[in-house]
Amino acid sequence: DQQVKQNSPSLSVQEGRISILNCDYTNSMFDYFLWYKKYPAEGPTFLISISSIKDKNEDGRFTVFLNKSAKHLSLHIVPSQPGDSAVYFCAANMRFGAGTRLTVKP
Amino acid sequence: DAGVIQSPRHEVTEMGQEVTLRCKPISGHDYLFWYRQTMMRGLELLIYFNNNVPIDDSGMPEDRFSAKMPNASFSTLKIQPSEPRDSAVYFCASSSQFEETQYFGPGTRLLVL
Repeated sequence: DQQVKQNSPSLSVQEGRISILNCDYTNSMFDYFLWYKKYPAEGPTFLISISSIKDKNEDGRFTVFLNKSAKHLSLHIVPSQPGDSAVYFCAANMRFGAGTRLTVKP
Repeated sequence: DAGVIQSPRHEVTEMGQEVTLRCKPISGHDYLFWYRQTMMRGLELLIYFNNNVPIDDSGMPEDRFSAKMPNASFSTLKIQPSEPRDSAVYFCASSSQFEETQYFGPGTRLLVL
């Protein structure tokens, strides 16, 4: 039972453009969401979070949007940089999505 | 702070052997989590502890898997007997609050032949 879903296994964007990573969840009781970034051979590291009382949270180049009615959140990276190439996980209530591999091409 | 420490970093074993993975959480963190990462299922929560007590082990695949946390600074995940389908990367994570940011260790890459 996957309560957190990331339906796009991979995404490729050009350096300087926007990256949009999507995440859906099934449980309307979830009230805190996190994005993690993972490089090869390392553990995931926290990137940004959002509480259900907000619909947007911004931290530098990273913005997370939350649409509670659609049970959907997205992570925007603007502008994308080659160093952003990694696997991104969406998480809620200790459950993680399958991850989206982002590749930013120079 | 050294962060979450896991050992070994790599483990290769033969089917039927016992495997023990170890984790030292960040000092002062009350929550400890064990995850398994596979290509097919992504990051799966296996079990988590609060103040050394197992709270939710519903993600443990079967009886071959067991986890303990004898004190606040040490946890083990044991697989006995191991099978090839257990091959994955196993992560340990800790946090200071429930549903707050988790800090992950570097993972143990397990290969069961």
